[in-house]
Amino acid sequence: GQQVMQIPQYQHVQEGEDFTTYCNSSTTLSNIQWYKQRPGGHPVFLIQLVKSGEVKKQKRLTFQFGEAKKNSSLHITATQTTDVGTYFCAPTSGGSYIPTFGRGTSLIVHP
Amino acid sequence: GAGVSQTPSNKVTEKGKYVELRCDPISGHTALYWYRQSLGQGPEFLIYFQGTGAADDSGLPNDRFFAVRPEGSVSTLKIQRTERGDSAVYLCASSLIGRADTQYFGPGTRLTVL
Repeated sequence: GQQVMQIPQYQHVQEGEDFTTYCNSSTTLSNIQWYKQRPGGHPVFLIQLVKSGEVKKQKRLTFQFGEAKKNSSLHITATQTTDVGTYFCAPTSGGSYIPTFGRGTSLIVHP
Repeated sequence: GAGVSQTPSNKVTEKGKYVELRCDPISGHTALYWYRQSLGQGPEFLIYFQGTGAADDSGLPNDRFFAVRPEGSVSTLKIQRTERGDSAVYLCASSLIGRADTQYFGPGTRLTVL
């Protein structure tokens, strides 16, 4: 099945620093979703990217889909303690309509 | 209800026992998904229902796992002869039909097999 690699696995930042997580695939993706899971919580849908080169913003969060539709990134500007959690990419590819979740990047924000 | 609900929130059982995990999806969501999440991993797909039927059960690890959704709403994940390796958080999600890209997750059931 679809394999995606998310890097880094963990990221420690000081509050106010920026953060980026990357999702890479060896195959072309149909679309990609991003989810956030707070510690002890469940995944919560953030956004979907569909078009090649697409960029979407949600306040301090910027999501990008690569031109080749094989990678994606999530960038958070000026992190806050409320950003703590694990960020998952969940792409779909080929004929599958079920997203495959990456391993996630856990963000730890130090006040 | 306002969101996806799952019961129980925690389940501790002994190796070899049978367990049932319940999921109540968002009203009007015809699509329902079960995932399993181990510590430090992303959710792993198990099975997908469209209405009452299992449209995709390719993620079920073996025949000890079975799920039903008899009336197209509540779903039950059933695990027979539980093994210690089955310990994980079992997540249920629902969505509008054709919208697997936007799933709403429940709080999960933490299953511990001793």
